[in-house]
Amino acid sequence: QQQVKQSPQSLIVQKGGIPIINCAYENTAFDYFPWYQQFPGKGPALLIAIRPDVSEKKEGRFTISFNKSAKQFSLHIMDSQPGDSATYFCAASSNTGNQFYFGTGTSLTVIP
Amino acid sequence: NAGVTQTPKFQVLKTGQSMTLQCAQDMNHEYMSWYRQDPGMGLRLIHYSVGAGITDQGEVPNGYNVSRSTTEDFPLRLLSAAPSQTSVYFCASSYTMEGGTQYFGPGTRLTVL
Repeated sequence: QQQVKQSPQSLIVQKGGIPIINCAYENTAFDYFPWYQQFPGKGPALLIAIRPDVSEKKEGRFTISFNKSAKQFSLHIMDSQPGDSATYFCAASSNTGNQFYFGTGTSLTVIP
Repeated sequence: NAGVTQTPKFQVLKTGQSMTLQCAQDMNHEYMSWYRQDPGMGLRLIHYSVGAGITDQGEVPNGYNVSRSTTEDFPLRLLSAAPSQTSVYFCASSYTMEGGTQYFGPGTRLTVL
C-alpha cells in the first residue's frame, strides 16, 4: 500500500512555466515532508522540506504548499528552466517511526 | 568529505549468485538505509539502521541481509540473486530520522540474469 501518493507521473512544461506536483498521504502521524530532486544517473538530493505547522515554504524558485486538513502537499517551481528537468519525489516521515515513505516520482521536462 | 559512497556502480549477476553492495559515509551519521528504485515504484526501503549494531526491516526486505558493525559502513547482501532483484540500489544516511536531511549515494545498477 502506497503511503504517499504522487501525481502526475510525468509533466512537460515550457520554459518559464510553473509545474505543480501533488502528493497526498493518509497517516496523520507524518510530520516531515521533504521533496527530492534526482538527475539521471545520480542519487536523489534534498530540495526543500516542510513541517505541518506552516502552510507554505519558499526556497528560491521552489515552493511547497501544505494543506494539513486535506492531507496534501505540493511542489511549485516558479519560472522553470531546462536545468530543472529531473525526477521529483515527495516523501513523508514521522518522529515516532524510523522510515521515510516516498512517492512514485514525477518526471519533469522543461522545454526551452 | 566524500559523503555517501557506494561500490560497485554496475554489477551483473547470474541467478543464484550472492554478492555484497558496499556503502560508506564519512559524516558520522547514525541513521543509514538501503532503497531500491524501480520504474513507476519510486524508492522502496529495504533495510535501515539507527546506529552501529542495530538494524531493522523496511518495506521490501526479503532476499536481502544487512549488518552495521561500524558507524561508517552499512553493506547490503544479496543471498541468492533473483531476476526480481534487478534494480538500482541507493544507500542513504542522515544524523537522525527526525526531520534529518537524507544524503544519498550515487547508486548501484544491478542486473540479475
